[in-house]
Amino acid sequence: DTEVTQTPKHLVMGMTNKKSLKCEQHMGHRAMYWYKQKAKKPPELMFVYSYEKLSINESVPSRFSPECPNSSLLNLHLHALQPEDSALYLCASSHPPGNTGELFFGEGSRLTVL
Amino acid sequence: AQSVSQHNHHVILSEAASLELGCNYSYGGTVNLFWYVQYPGQHLQLLLKYFSGDPLVKGIKGFEAEFIKSKFSFNLRKPSVQWSDTAEYFCAAKGVYGGATNKLIFGTGTLLAVQP
Repeated sequence: DTEVTQTPKHLVMGMTNKKSLKCEQHMGHRAMYWYKQKAKKPPELMFVYSYEKLSINESVPSRFSPECPNSSLLNLHLHALQPEDSALYLCASSHPPGNTGELFFGEGSRLTVL
Repeated sequence: AQSVSQHNHHVILSEAASLELGCNYSYGGTVNLFWYVQYPGQHLQLLLKYFSGDPLVKGIKGFEAEFIKSKFSFNLRKPSVQWSDTAEYFCAAKGVYGGATNKLIFGTGTLLAVQP
């Protein structure tokens, strides 16, 4: 079992819908991440929050909007997505400062955009 | 540019066979190195890591990896694989300096299938 909890596990949405993915960790980590993973591909970094501030945005389209309400929670708001956005969305957390690169991943939210 | 390459995209072995998965990195500085594993239907989890010190590191489930600085390599090994080792294996690297802006770079992954 992982200590990073993601909800929902599965989400199907239309291109005009608005939905959110949620992530929670209680390990006291102060860096949190969103990754996108397509089948048989490595995870691709989308966003990094460090001490609740957005530190990296990998030129992600604005239809993806991250939010970090507090040190334990990370949201990804979805709006007007495209079918090619269908993927597994992974949340991860780690200890900064220094941020060694050791990440703790959630099980992911599998998103299907119709 | 920073990159991680894994030479084997798909490996099929019989149980009890030995395993070696290749990983090379390209980075202009000191790096931390990792192998992550993703079992079917499960989350990505850390298999082992190298930060400094003894270049031969041991991880969970009998896996080990050797850091060879001169070859920019961090190959994963296991003397005798089991059916339960069937999974996707990702090598990853991150620069030591630069803090949160220095990203973890993943290789393309190796899908290992172990036949009983």
